[in-house]
Amino acid sequence: ETGVTQTPRHLVMGMTNKKSLKCEQHLGHNAMYWYKQSAKKPLELMFVYSLEERVENNSVPSRFSPECPNSSHLFLHLHTLQPEDSALYLCASSQDRTSGNTDTQYFGPGTRLTVL
Amino acid sequence: SQQGEEDPQALSIQEGENATMNCSYKTSINNLQWYRQNSGRGLVHLILIRSNEREKHSGRLRVTLDTSKKSSSLLITASRAADTASYFCATVYGAAGNKLTFGGGTRVLVKP
Repeated sequence: ETGVTQTPRHLVMGMTNKKSLKCEQHLGHNAMYWYKQSAKKPLELMFVYSLEERVENNSVPSRFSPECPNSSHLFLHLHTLQPEDSALYLCASSQDRTSGNTDTQYFGPGTRLTVL
Repeated sequence: SQQGEEDPQALSIQEGENATMNCSYKTSINNLQWYRQNSGRGLVHLILIRSNEREKHSGRLRVTLDTSKKSSSLLITASRAADTASYFCATVYGAAGNKLTFGGGTRVLVKP
């Protein structure tokens, strides 16, 4: 256990559905991340939140909408996805670099998303 | 792209043997990290090496960093079947100290 949990672990949705992925960290960190891992592609950083403020958005399509209501929770809202969005979505957290801590990120187990 | 590239892409060894994988990157870094991922699961941090360090050890893991060649290596000694996983290097560079750029990974199979 890394101290980062994700729900659901598996999700199957149609292209017209709306769903949300949830991530929660119990490590007292102040930065959280969403990554996408597709087959045979490197891990892609999608969003970064530091101190609950979005600081990175790597040209992610608007059908992915992140939300960070507090430093312990991160959501990824999904709507009108495409089959190519099927992937493993990983959440991670870290202590913000300005505090002097290392840049180690702690990952959740991921949500396996299948878009039909 | 700053993306690290691991070599080899896949590695198959017998239990007890050593496994070595390499990572190359393109621009100056703050630090380089190695992560492990079991099939379809989250990543687990293994070791971090800073740009001013040349070698680090953690248990059966040994990491080297050669900033002149922009490369790093991860050595797993006396491998076990439980070491079967994918191993990724990730680089941190610039002012965005919390942004990791991952390579494509090395899939390691340790046969009992």
